[in-house]
Amino acid sequence: KQEVTQIPAALSVPEGENLVLNCSFTDSAIYNLQWFRQDPGKGLTSLLLIQSSQREQTSGRLNASLDKSSGRSTLYIAASQPGDSATYLCAVNSDKLIFGTGTRLQVFP
Amino acid sequence: DTAVSQTPKYLVTQMGNDKSIKCEQNLGHDTMYWYKQDSKKFLKIMFSYNNKELIINETVPNRFSPKSPDKAHLNLHINSLELGDSAVYFCASSPTDYYEQYFGPGTRLTVT
Repeated sequence: KQEVTQIPAALSVPEGENLVLNCSFTDSAIYNLQWFRQDPGKGLTSLLLIQSSQREQTSGRLNASLDKSSGRSTLYIAASQPGDSATYLCAVNSDKLIFGTGTRLQVFP
Repeated sequence: DTAVSQTPKYLVTQMGNDKSIKCEQNLGHDTMYWYKQDSKKFLKIMFSYNNKELIINETVPNRFSPKSPDKAHLNLHINSLELGDSAVYFCASSPTDYYEQYFGPGTRLTVT
């Protein structure tokens, strides 16, 4: 049974810092992995999708990597801004999307 | 120009009532999903439909019944609502299985 874990559960950093969010999963038989952002009281915004054959994906200040064999993915956020404050969710697609528990990020000025 | 829309955004109702949540996507996707986010913010899939056909049906009480009148719509009907049904329900869609999923804004259901 696929299980997805995200650490840390919460993170508070000053503006401008580079940071890494971690996601681990127990079953390496995946089709892809998707990173989402959720703002309080809002829906999910897809940030990056990494197919199982890929090692990383980049979008602006975001870079996501995937190491399928070790069951890990990281989301790197460069030069963090207060507008990056949100909950970040990692989801692994085996035969369905399994979500992690999320990392709540606060970036203060 | 909303890609995945849900109505209503908020739903407050009493135990025992029957209610429906509607979802529409204008992305031309073949697959649609319903997810539940509980009070601890954990998201879990409930159902998925591919081209109007039920593909995934998690261990959801049979009081929950999805209905897909066409490829662009997936509605969720809930009978005999219980306190434990209070949650945020998200609809999502993707081009087909195993592709990027796009989520709606969510419907916050409160059962009193």
